[in-house]
Amino acid sequence: AQSVTQPDIHITVSEGASLELRCNYSYGATPYLFWYVQSPGQGLQLLLKYFSGDTLVQGIKGFEAEFKRSQSSFNLRKPSVHWSDAAEYFCAVGIYGGSQGNLIFGKGTKLSVKP
Amino acid sequence: GAGVSQSPSNKVTEKGKDVELRCDPISGHTALYWYRQRLGQGLEFLIYFQGNSAPDKSGLPSDRFSAERTGESVSTLTIQRTQQEDSAVYLCASSLTGGRADTQYFGPGTRLTVL
Repeated sequence: AQSVTQPDIHITVSEGASLELRCNYSYGATPYLFWYVQSPGQGLQLLLKYFSGDTLVQGIKGFEAEFKRSQSSFNLRKPSVHWSDAAEYFCAVGIYGGSQGNLIFGKGTKLSVKP
Repeated sequence: GAGVSQSPSNKVTEKGKDVELRCDPISGHTALYWYRQRLGQGLEFLIYFQGNSAPDKSGLPSDRFSAERTGESVSTLTIQRTQQEDSAVYLCASSLTGGRADTQYFGPGTRLTVL
């Protein structure tokens, strides 16, 4: 069965420090992978997505993610975190086939940023 | 342009009552999705509409849940005889074509509280 695992429920980093949020997926076919961010009281916003090609994907707000097929991972990174990055981050895999066009989401990682 | 809008933003109801949640997708988007987000959980897929095709209802948790969509416009999610476990944020998203590579654009959600 398809699934997405985000092992870290909550991460706290200092402002200016680097960040890596982990995501592992289970999916039989070539995955389409997404990272979304949900700020308090806001809807989800797409940060970046991977379909094929270069395994290092650049997104908005200075985020990037690397697809590693051998590890079934799609970790999100940022070299220097800003206080405004405090939010909840969701990894998702796009499901293929039939009438389904839905996303399978992980349970999210909440990011707190220390001044 | 305008994003996905949802109404109401908050809904408090009593156990056993019916509720209707509304979603206005981005104009021109043929695909529309409903998700449920329980406290501390990831998003659960509920239902997916794509053009004039039969909707994918595989995520609806019980027959108390139903949804309709008029053409490629507004959708309503109806929950009959609400239960306390229905308390959650209900998110709507739309995408241009509904393919698994498509970016889904999310609305701000409706927070439903069942007393």
